[in-house]
Amino acid sequence: QKEVEQNSGPLSVPEGAIASLNCTYSDRGSQSFFWYRQYSGKSPELIMFIYSNGDKEDGRFTAQLNKASQYVSLLIRDSQPSDSATYLCAVIDGGTSYGKLTFGQGTILTVHP
Amino acid sequence: DTGVSQDPRHKITKRGQNVTFRCDPISEHNRLYWYRQTLGQGPEFLTYFQNEAQLEKSRLLSDRFSAERPKGSFSTLEIQRTEQGDSAMYLCASSQLAEGGETQYFGPGTRLLVL
Repeated sequence: QKEVEQNSGPLSVPEGAIASLNCTYSDRGSQSFFWYRQYSGKSPELIMFIYSNGDKEDGRFTAQLNKASQYVSLLIRDSQPSDSATYLCAVIDGGTSYGKLTFGQGTILTVHP
Repeated sequence: DTGVSQDPRHKITKRGQNVTFRCDPISEHNRLYWYRQTLGQGPEFLTYFQNEAQLEKSRLLSDRFSAERPKGSFSTLEIQRTEQGDSAMYLCASSQLAEGGETQYFGPGTRLLVL
């Protein structure tokens, strides 16, 4: 069973702080990694994807990937109350030629003013 | 709005009834996925279509579930003889393989409640 594990939450940070979300995965063949944001009652919204080891920055978001450690993280700088949501880590199964995603259980982030 | 639409957005049904959900993907996307999400969990893969061909079905899809994608455009997911355990959010996602990889965009989901 291929697994994706996220750090247990909920995570609470003050406005303006850095929120750090972590994810580990079991499938060494995985090559593509994604972070989705999901507001309560809504569907997942893609915020970042990363394919190569290292860091990838997009605005206030930075995704970090370490394939050797099977670890992917998401940093949110200058956190805002509107960032309060569940963050889902997802990985494409290494054994498929298409985009079958395995998701973690999600980390609830609360940014308080 | 990602461009993926789903209908209906909410469905309440009684146990034993049949329900059908529809997904309209982004028009140029040839890949379509169905996922199911229960409260407090991440989405779980149900099935995958490339154009009109259904290439994988999860073991989560019992015989009561069937999905189609005629002509490689919209897709339907039917659940026969619904059970209370089928209550969940049913999500559709579409994607297209592009240089660098594949990214999936989700529709708004159909929330099913089986009484």
